[in-house]
Amino acid sequence: KQEVTQIPAALSVPEGENLVLNCSFTDSAIYNLQWFRQDPGKGLTSLLLIQSSQREQTSGRLNASLDKSSGRSTLYIAASQPGDSATYLCAVKGTLYNQGGKLIFGQGTELSVKP
Amino acid sequence: EPEVTQTPSHQVTQMGQEVILRCVPISNHLYFYWYRQILGQKVEFLVSFYNNEISEKSEIFDDQFSVERPDGSNFTLKIRSTKLEDSAMYFCASRENRGLTNEKLFFGSGTQLSVL
Repeated sequence: KQEVTQIPAALSVPEGENLVLNCSFTDSAIYNLQWFRQDPGKGLTSLLLIQSSQREQTSGRLNASLDKSSGRSTLYIAASQPGDSATYLCAVKGTLYNQGGKLIFGQGTELSVKP
Repeated sequence: EPEVTQTPSHQVTQMGQEVILRCVPISNHLYFYWYRQILGQKVEFLVSFYNNEISEKSEIFDDQFSVERPDGSNFTLKIRSTKLEDSAMYFCASRENRGLTNEKLFFGSGTQLSVL
């Protein structure tokens, strides 16, 4: 059974710092991995999606990497800003390519960027 | 930008009552999902829906739950007889279709269900 773990559970950094969020999964046979942002009282926003055949994806100040064999992904945030404060969730989709394709989520990392 | 819309944002109900949570997915999307998040816990999958039928469901999605797409725009989750443990934030999500570039899932802002 796939399990997704994120560390740390919470992180507080000063503005401008570069930071790394970690995600690990127990079954390396995944189809893809997504990083989401969750703001309080709001839904989840997809930030980056990495296919199993890819090593990394970049969007602006965000870079996500994937090492499928070791069951790890990292989300790198460059030059953090107070507006980056949110909970970041990692989710994996298994290789059973059916029409459903459920995501299995980690518990999230709550990020606080101090001005 | 198109978005998934959920109503109501908050729902309070008495144990044993039926509730219907409503969602309007993005218009050209074909795959629809319900997830939920109990306070302090992980987001967990409930059910996926495609071509007017359930394509996958979790162990949580028992006979008390049902989904429906009554028309071309709405997607609903019904809980027939709510229990205290059904209290959670329920998220609706949708995505376009098959294909590597269309895997991104778009989530609504959720319905906070409180069962008293």
